[in-house]
Amino acid sequence: KNEVEQSPQNLTAQEGEFITINCSYSVGISALHWLQQHPGGGIVSLFMLSSGKKKHGRLIATINIQEKHSSLHITASHPRDSAVYICAAVNTGNQFYFGTGTSLTVIP
Amino acid sequence: DAGVTQSPTHLIKTRGQHVTLRCSPISGHKSVSWYQQVLGQGPQFIFQYYEKEERGRGNFPDRFSARQFPNYSSELNVNALLLGDSALYLCASSLDYYNEQFFGPGTRLTVL
Repeated sequence: KNEVEQSPQNLTAQEGEFITINCSYSVGISALHWLQQHPGGGIVSLFMLSSGKKKHGRLIATINIQEKHSSLHITASHPRDSAVYICAAVNTGNQFYFGTGTSLTVIP
Repeated sequence: DAGVTQSPTHLIKTRGQHVTLRCSPISGHKSVSWYQQVLGQGPQFIFQYYEKEERGRGNFPDRFSARQFPNYSSELNVNALLLGDSALYLCASSLDYYNEQFFGPGTRLTVL
């Protein structure tokens, strides 16, 4: 069993739709990261959070520590949002556990 | 400011050889982490260094080693390469080991 599970694995949306990607983890964490990876490998850090909610532009990340669950929301999705979104949990021993990623395709 | 840089960009080696990958963090960042990403899978954590000391280690064999230099740059070494070591190796830097990480473009290693 993976320490971090993401769902869905693949997601196709029409431009403008509201998107939610879910992440559940089984380890005690000091932080949780949401990352975006475009074709070719480049990774961009979107959020690092340890509680509550963060917003950056059309992206919102939330975390529920008690339920060991985090969500990444994209409002008014756009084709340029097409990428793989990866959740990574950092335990209190500073070890990183990555989900396998959610591949998002936004169709114009 | 320059972002995280990694060298080389691509590398081809044969089984049994040794490889050294290099990473230069963002100026002012004191922590460097290394990750392995096999094609089609999520990244796997290999090491994290902070102030030249190892602060975290993933489940990788002893063939994998790393070090951080006084200028905070880092090297990842892999001995006795196996076909399964073929992957994208990513380096990320952060101010310290509890801060947001910034990723480099990666080094794509192919082992034949």
